[in-house]
Amino acid sequence: NAGVTQTPKFQVLKTGQSMTLQCAQDMNHEYMSWYRQDPGMGLRLIHYSVGAGITDQGEVPNGYNVSRSTTEDFPLRLLSAAPSQTSVYFCASRADREVGYTFGSGTRLTVV
Amino acid sequence: RKEVEQDPGPFNVPEGATVAFNCTYSNSASQSFFWYRQDCRKEPKLLMSVYSSGNEDGRFTAQLNRASQYISLLIRDSKLSDSATYLCVVNMRTGGYQKVTFGIGTKLQVIP
Repeated sequence: NAGVTQTPKFQVLKTGQSMTLQCAQDMNHEYMSWYRQDPGMGLRLIHYSVGAGITDQGEVPNGYNVSRSTTEDFPLRLLSAAPSQTSVYFCASRADREVGYTFGSGTRLTVV
Repeated sequence: RKEVEQDPGPFNVPEGATVAFNCTYSNSASQSFFWYRQDCRKEPKLLMSVYSSGNEDGRFTAQLNRASQYISLLIRDSKLSDSATYLCVVNMRTGGYQKVTFGIGTKLQVIP
């Protein structure tokens, strides 16, 4: 059971480039979220989904898009990368509202 | 006031010591609570849920004090392998969405 799989693990982008961070889970979880983690700021929610076809914005959505065409996949798109988006990105999923999240291993993104 | 506050530490404790962390939350409507462990450059992993009556898992004890709006994590007989950052997480239902807020984490270093 792979859990939550994120790719790539590392990425360097130039300012203005776009890219997609991939996230897939094989636990049939309805709830999926994208977080970014920056020093001294904790994990901040970017976007989330409560099921296939349903997404919504979190705390820091600007500059990011998501879609959820299947239960398994929840990609995060950076539209035009900026240095402020240098961060560690985590995808997470959970079965329902009352349980904890399972996290992917993260993507370390640097925008130069 | 931050929604979830933790002392970032670091807490440096000798092997075998007992250490406790607190985490305060600002919204009395918060409903469920968790402790996560995060190793350096790794993803957060669920350590334990926190129940109203308090709960124990081996050397770890979690407690909730709704009146004072804090949760705590007690680690007995600290091991070197307990060195990590401990994140507290608070879930709160707002409208149709359950908001999940992470604390910035408390760093624990267990020294030989």
